[in-house]
Amino acid sequence: GENVEQHPSTLSVQEGDSAVIKCTYSDSASNYFPWYKQELGKGPQLIIDIRSNVGEKKDQRIAVTLNKTAKHFSLHITETQPEDSAVYFCAGPSGSARQLTFGSGTQLTVLP
Amino acid sequence: DGGITQSPKYLFRKEGQNVTLSCEQNLNHDAMYWYRQDPGQGLRLIYYSQIVNDFQKGDIAEGYSVSREKKESFPLTVTSAQKNPTAFYLCASSMTGKVNTGELFFGEGSRLTVL
Repeated sequence: GENVEQHPSTLSVQEGDSAVIKCTYSDSASNYFPWYKQELGKGPQLIIDIRSNVGEKKDQRIAVTLNKTAKHFSLHITETQPEDSAVYFCAGPSGSARQLTFGSGTQLTVLP
Repeated sequence: DGGITQSPKYLFRKEGQNVTLSCEQNLNHDAMYWYRQDPGQGLRLIYYSQIVNDFQKGDIAEGYSVSREKKESFPLTVTSAQKNPTAFYLCASSMTGKVNTGELFFGEGSRLTVL
């Protein structure tokens, strides 16, 4: 099945700086890569996703890049704000796309 | 409001007792999932169901059981056979059984503590 590794496990940035979280995956057939944000005490929420037919996708301050050759994808958050502080998870499909395998999560802290 | 409702939010259990966590969705989604979350380990899939009256084991199904008698409900029972049940449990749903066709919607979770 799919194996997704995520780095770093914790990340602190100053407000206004950029944050980058990276994930690698093992299954070259994987074609869908979502990112979820989990705020304290809540369930994760989808913030952006990318499919394997594109290399980059942007949504305001958030972008995701995908390198299929190297089998890695990254989340980029620009102009970070305190409300960006949360745990972020990457994921990839496995089991004929019937389930998602999640990375281990990154605790992002934006310092004022 | 459409969404996923998990209950209870907090639950305490003595060793040797079974406990059932409730998950209800009013999104008319076909598929439902149970994940376990432990610090530093991300989300691990326990069970999932793509249609009513059918479910499959995930990566860590041992010590857990589920049922899917109704489309909107997918309860999880943590049995006494689960060796380390203290964790945060998340229920999710998706429109179809193919996760690459759309997002997972998560509930707010149930925190189980075994005393």
